[in-house]
Amino acid sequence: QKEVEQDPGPLSVPEGAIVSLNCTYSNSAFQYFMWYRQYSRKGPELLMYTYSSGNKEDGRFTAQVDKSSKYISLFIRDSQPSDSATYLCAMSLNSGGSNYKLTFGKGTLLTVNP
Amino acid sequence: SQTIHQWPATLVQPVGSPLSLECTVEGTSNPNLYWYRQAAGRGLQLLFYSVGIGQISSEVPQNLSASRPQDRQFILSSKKLLLSDSGFYLCAWSRVSQPQHFGDGTRLSIL
Repeated sequence: QKEVEQDPGPLSVPEGAIVSLNCTYSNSAFQYFMWYRQYSRKGPELLMYTYSSGNKEDGRFTAQVDKSSKYISLFIRDSQPSDSATYLCAMSLNSGGSNYKLTFGKGTLLTVNP
Repeated sequence: SQTIHQWPATLVQPVGSPLSLECTVEGTSNPNLYWYRQAAGRGLQLLFYSVGIGQISSEVPQNLSASRPQDRQFILSSKKLLLSDSGFYLCAWSRVSQPQHFGDGTRLSIL
């Protein structure tokens, strides 16, 4: 079983739709959770960072963590064509406060059609 | 604010040639530094990380090496490139207990 599972898509939605992106993980020791957005031929850009169960909201983006189910989600409201990118989930252990080693999902390719 | 620079953006090298990719960070001191490789359909693979000058940890035994000659400089090297070294190489930085921030990568093609 892989440590982090993420549906690769591709996911295609119309402009204005609500998008739900998800990852499941097997290691219950993961404590820090991140979502990155990666445009084609660019590096990943940090979108959301959380270390507790529950929801965290930033503008049109909401990150949700359910540690009991080992499941994280990213919701995008009022999706825009500029949201078209690959979305990567990432997580790490709480190892003495360090955050060295991220375990990534393989990414979901999202296209928002105007 | 902090910025991270990687160069070159694209590189085409013959098999057996050496490699040197450079990454520098501005606007912070004593960052943690990381090298990743991203292969199509395989996600991001951590290659090396460094918590200080001269301190390098290797995650995956391979044809590559890393060095940190200065606080905010991280170099990825190879003496002889293999075809399997092709990929998208990403440098990242972080403060302790903070998430990582990535550069825009180097796309390496081996011929």
